[in-house]
Amino acid sequence: AQSVTQLGSHVSVSEGALVLLRCNYSSSVPPYLFWYVQYPNQGLQLLLKYTSAATLVKGINGFEAEFKKSETSFHLTKPSAHMSDAAEYFCAVTRSGNTPLVFGKGTRLSVIA
Amino acid sequence: DSGVTQTPKHLITATGQRVTLRCSPRSGDLSVYWYQQSLDQGLQFLIQYYNGEERAKGNILERFSAQQFPDLHSELNLSSLELGDSALYFCASSPSLGRDTEAFFGQGTRLTVV
Repeated sequence: AQSVTQLGSHVSVSEGALVLLRCNYSSSVPPYLFWYVQYPNQGLQLLLKYTSAATLVKGINGFEAEFKKSETSFHLTKPSAHMSDAAEYFCAVTRSGNTPLVFGKGTRLSVIA
Repeated sequence: DSGVTQTPKHLITATGQRVTLRCSPRSGDLSVYWYQQSLDQGLQFLIQYYNGEERAKGNILERFSAQQFPDLHSELNLSSLELGDSALYFCASSPSLGRDTEAFFGQGTRLTVV
């Protein structure tokens, strides 16, 4: 079975600081990996996805993630946090095209002025 | 706006009752997913339909059922409601089977069982 583990249910950073949200996956087959963001009272929005092409994936709003097979990780980073980045972030995995996404428990990002 | 429409946005009902949540997928998307989001369980996959057929089943209780209609909209029926069913229910849709697996989420229906 495939799954993802997000380390840290809550991360707090200062505005302008590096954002690092951790995600480790478990999958018996090459995974497809995703990061979604959920703003308050909103649905989930795709930030970026890895589907076995380039290991460094760039997404929207300045976020990027690197797929590291040796570490079974897919951590999300942004060089400089902005107040508008405060939200809940979810890592997700799927086995192949169009199979249901399996989500991690989420990491709430707070940005301090 | 993701293009996925869920109604109603909020629902308050009593224990033992039955409710129906509705989802209209993005135009052209054949696949619909239902997820339940709660504080203790996180985002749990319930069920997936593709072009009217059940495609995959997750942690869906027997008291819950769903279907996808010929016009591709979907309904999630929750019956004999319990306090623990209070949650945010999301619908998502995605294009036809293939490598492009982005799922587009609606804004959810917040169900409160009292």
